[in-house]
Amino acid sequence: DTAVSQTPKYLVTQMGNDKSIKCEQNLGHDTMYWYKQDSKKFLKIMFSYNNKELIINETVPNRFSPKSPDKAHLNLHINSLELGDSAVYFCASRQQETQYFGPGTRLLVL
Amino acid sequence: GNSVTQMEGPVTLSEEAFLTINCTYTATGYPSLFWYVQYPGEGLQLLLKATKADDKGSNKGFEATYRKETTSFHLEKGSVQVSDSAVYFCALKYNQGGKLIFGQGTELSVKP
Repeated sequence: DTAVSQTPKYLVTQMGNDKSIKCEQNLGHDTMYWYKQDSKKFLKIMFSYNNKELIINETVPNRFSPKSPDKAHLNLHINSLELGDSAVYFCASRQQETQYFGPGTRLLVL
Repeated sequence: GNSVTQMEGPVTLSEEAFLTINCTYTATGYPSLFWYVQYPGEGLQLLLKATKADDKGSNKGFEATYRKETTSFHLEKGSVQVSDSAVYFCALKYNQGGKLIFGQGTELSVKP
């Protein structure tokens, strides 16, 4: 019974392509996040949604567009992928003080 | 601005050694402080937390005390195991929105 799941786990694609990463949580939490972890393990928040509404939007290129069809899902669509987008993307949900992270999606742009 | 600084890794220890990973923060107000752990190939998991000054968070033999006077939240464990090998992240949360600000992570490698 996975708490926060992401698909796909690995994604290898060519520069210029458009791709989506999906996230689902079965914890009943209202708030979800997307984080980007670079090759040096540095972790930075990208977006946060609360009950399908965007509440945090960090300085992220507008090629990245989150979508929350319902409070259990927060998907990330990336247009015109660039080499610098290669990273591990983590989804998370929050209950009170604690965030629960998914296993990550390893994106490699060639 | 608000930020978190951790000691640089990698840290390599022998099994049963004492561990300290330093973490200091800069924040307005009174943030909550956290340690998250990332095992190889996995997402982050909350290890422990402290929500106010002088609180001590503890879990799985790890401890950290919220020191307002030194703006620190150092992670300690008395006797590390090989299974503790992971990347450890210190983080703060400074508002109700739940946004976490992470340090750069410290990789710990424990050898048998």
